Amino acid sequence: EAQVTQNPRYLITVTGKKLTVTCSQNMNHEYMSWYRQDPGLGLRQIYYSMNVEVTDKGDVPEGYKVSRKEKRNFPLILESPSPNQTSLYFCASSDGANYGYTFGSGTRLTVV
Amino acid sequence: KQEVTQIPAALSVPEGENLVLNCSFTDSAIYNLQWFRQDPGKGLTSLLLIQSSQREQTSGRLNASLDKSSGRSTLYIAASQPGDSATYLCAVEYGNKLVFGAGTILRVKS
Repeated sequence: EAQVTQNPRYLITVTGKKLTVTCSQNMNHEYMSWYRQDPGLGLRQIYYSMNVEVTDKGDVPEGYKVSRKEKRNFPLILESPSPNQTSLYFCASSDGANYGYTFGSGTRLTVV
Repeated sequence: KQEVTQIPAALSVPEGENLVLNCSFTDSAIYNLQWFRQDPGKGLTSLLLIQSSQREQTSGRLNASLDKSSGRSTLYIAASQPGDSATYLCAVEYGNKLVFGAGTILRVKS
C-alpha cells in the first residue's frame, strides 16, 4: 500500500530535550515536506526537499532541522524544543504533478 | 501574498442534501489544486486533485471544479451522509508548497 509513515504518533517531551520525528514513504517520490497545523493558523510548511541532499526552508522553519540522506526518509529534528512548538505535525510526499500530495497520519507533539 | 479562503467556515445539513463548498485563491499561477478531508485529530485524506489544465474531477459522489481565471474552486457533494461529517480543506499548489485554506467544518445530521 502506498503510504507515508510517521513516528511517533504522539509525543510529550520537556523543553530543550532534542527529539526526532521520522517520516518514510514507499512511493519513490522525490519531493517530501513537513507541515505543522495549529488552531486558527491552519497548515503551514516548515521545510521541504526536492531530492536527496536537497532541502530548503518553508514558511516557518525556525527551531527545526531536516535531513534527506535517503530518498524514502525525511526526518524532522527539533534540537531544543520549546512550548511554542507544541503542534500537530504532518509529513507529505508528492510525485510532482500527477497524483498530488500524500500525507502521513500526523504526530501530535506536546512540549512542556 | 498567496492566500486561500474557504467559505463557509462551517455547515450543518440534514442527510441527503446536495452541498457546495467554496474555495478561492489570490494567485492564479497554480500548479494543482487538491481537496482533502480531515477527521478530528487525524491525518489528511486526499479526495480529488485538479491539475491546472483541467476544469473538473469527479470521484463517486464528489465533484470538484476549477476556474483559474477567477481564482475559484468548488467541491460538490451529492446526497450527503453522516459519514461525510469532517473538515474539508482546499490546498493550492504553488511551486514547492501547498497553501491551505482554513477549512469548512461539515456536519451531516441523520
